[in-house]
Amino acid sequence: EIVLTQSPGTLSLSPGERATLSCRASQSVSSSYLAWYQQKPGQAPRLLIYGASNRATGIPDRFGGSGSGTDFTLTISRLEPEDFAVYYCQQYGSSPPLTFGGGTKVEIK
Amino acid sequence: QVQLQQSGPGLVKPSQTLSLTCAISGDSVSSNSAAWNWIRQSPSRGLEWLGRTYYRSKWYNDYAVSVKSRITINPDTSKNQFSLQLNSVTPEDTAVYYCARESYQGMATINDYWGQGTLVTVSS
Repeated sequence: EIVLTQSPGTLSLSPGERATLSCRASQSVSSSYLAWYQQKPGQAPRLLIYGASNRATGIPDRFGGSGSGTDFTLTISRLEPEDFAVYYCQQYGSSPPLTFGGGTKVEIK
Repeated sequence: QVQLQQSGPGLVKPSQTLSLTCAISGDSVSSNSAAWNWIRQSPSRGLEWLGRTYYRSKWYNDYAVSVKSRITINPDTSKNQFSLQLNSVTPEDTAVYYCARESYQGMATINDYWGQGTLVTVSS
């Protein structure tokens, strides 16, 4: 089973600042199968990035994904008030078919 | 626009069976280009995939090893929905349960639509 480790656990930033979130896999992950989700309290996760770097429909271009192999990054170029949330990386594999990281909370400083 | 609407009880007694349903609109449970997943979330276990059902000329199911002996996911083509049954529940099964569509963008696999979530508490 591929384990995804996200860091930091919490990121305290101000609106307008840049956020850099990390997701490290215990073994190599195909970029096609690495995604990022945003979750706000009381809501289901929302797909942000798929295939490591492709924005999902309707996602603003301040969200960007990069990386390959075992190291992936989600970048939010300038934080808007609505971006303060928890972010999860996810990978699709073979067994089990999918796993999630533990999440990074982006909070207002 | 795809929508997933979950239903089912929010309270289940220990040792009993947890049953949830996910009604699909805007897509078909029999689609050859989608799979239908159950995922749960708890503070102790985070987001945990439980299993899925999908149709590729015949029906397939995949289940997480952690619940494999206790779980059943069934499609219902007449109602265009799918269900989750988890037997012999304990308080450790307390979580928010989500249904989610799995689909494909080029080479990528994604969960692009989710149900609203159901908090299920296991308690006597």
